[in-house]
This record gives sequence, C-alpha cells and structure tokens, in this order.
Amino acid sequence: GAVVSQHPSWVICKSGTSVKIECRSLDFQATTMFWYRQFPKQSLMLMATSNEGSKATYEQGVEKDKFLINHASLTLSTLTVTSAHPEDSSFYICSAVRGGGQETQYFGPGTRLLVL
Amino acid sequence: TQLLEQSPQFLSIQEGENLTVYCNSSSVFSSLQWYRQEPGEGPVLLVTVVTGGEVKKLKRLTFQFGDARKDSSLHITAAQPGDTGLYLCAGGSTGTASKLTFGTGTRLQVTL
Repeated sequence: GAVVSQHPSWVICKSGTSVKIECRSLDFQATTMFWYRQFPKQSLMLMATSNEGSKATYEQGVEKDKFLINHASLTLSTLTVTSAHPEDSSFYICSAVRGGGQETQYFGPGTRLLVL
Repeated sequence: TQLLEQSPQFLSIQEGENLTVYCNSSSVFSSLQWYRQEPGEGPVLLVTVVTGGEVKKLKRLTFQFGDARKDSSLHITAAQPGDTGLYLCAGGSTGTASKLTFGTGTRLQVTL
C-alpha cells in the first residue's frame, strides 16, 4: 500500500501564532508532495508543489511567506502557517507521489485548523 | 487556467436509484481521476482513466472518459447509503509532473 499520514489531525490556535503541519509518507519515498486547502463544502485547491531538496512552487495567489513549506526528506514535508488569522481556518490536505515514473497521488487524512 | 466543472453540485436520492455525475472542461487532460471524500477525511482514489473513450467499471460504478479527453462521467447503479460522500474529478496534464486540477465537486446523499 501507500500510506500518507498527517499530524496533527486537528489544531486550534490563537490569532497571530504559527502552526506547523506534518505530512509523512509511511511506506514509500515521495519525490513530490502537494499541499491543498479545502473550505467547507468546496473542492480542493492546490496551494503548492513540494519537491525534496528544493524550494516549493506556489500556486498563483498563495503567499509563500505566509505558508512556509519544507521538504527536507523523501518522507516528510511540513507546512507552517505563519501568523495565522481566522481566515486561515480550513482543512489542509497533503498528497505524496512515489518516484520512479508513478504519478498517482496518495492523500493524507487532512488537518483541520481553527484559528480563534 | 484549467477548470473542471462538475454537475450536479448536490444530489439527494433514495437507495436503489441510479445517478450520473458529469465532469466537464474546455481543456484536454492526459488523465482523469475520480475520488470520493468523506467528511473530515482525505480523498480516496476510485479510478484513473487515460485513453479517450475509455470505460472502466468498479462494481456498481461506471466511469467514462470522453473521446476528446475533455470530459468524464461517473454512473452509479442502485445507489446505497454507503455511496454518500463528495465525489471529485481531477485532471492531470502532460508535463506537469502529477499535478492535478480538481473539479468543483458533487455532494451525493443516499437515503434509505
């Protein structure tokens, strides 16, 4: 199988604080990981593409200084929401792609962030 | 910008009924995937279609990729309450290394 985990599964924080979300591929090495956000009753919106050992590529309209992405190893990518505000409250989902020509994205279970 | 429009946005049916969800775009995709997502969880891949005109069946679910690879449909026969969820289509494009464009989503509710 291809299992992707996220931690934490949910987090509540005060406005102005920073929150780090981890995405791990548990049984495979992921050359590429993607970060999405999903608002209630809406679809997934791609935020950024993360490649191991290089800078993330952000989608148009996503602030790279606000959403810091680090992909330090082939099994771990982190998303840090800096100086979080209530409008950052959302469901954040990561996905991971194996190397070797396989392009299927395996999704994590998501992290629900609530900023008070 | 590539857009994938799904219709209907919301569907509420009774157990045993049939339904079709559509996924349309003006762009050509190299592949088309369908996912189902339940509340508070990540999407789960149902199928990937890559060839224009391709039809794939997964038990009571039938997936079709349009001849021009711009659209797709998902047909569910004899829906069951366990089919309830958010259905998402997602298109992949050549040269974008696995990057997916997700559709707008169809929320299905199947009641007894």
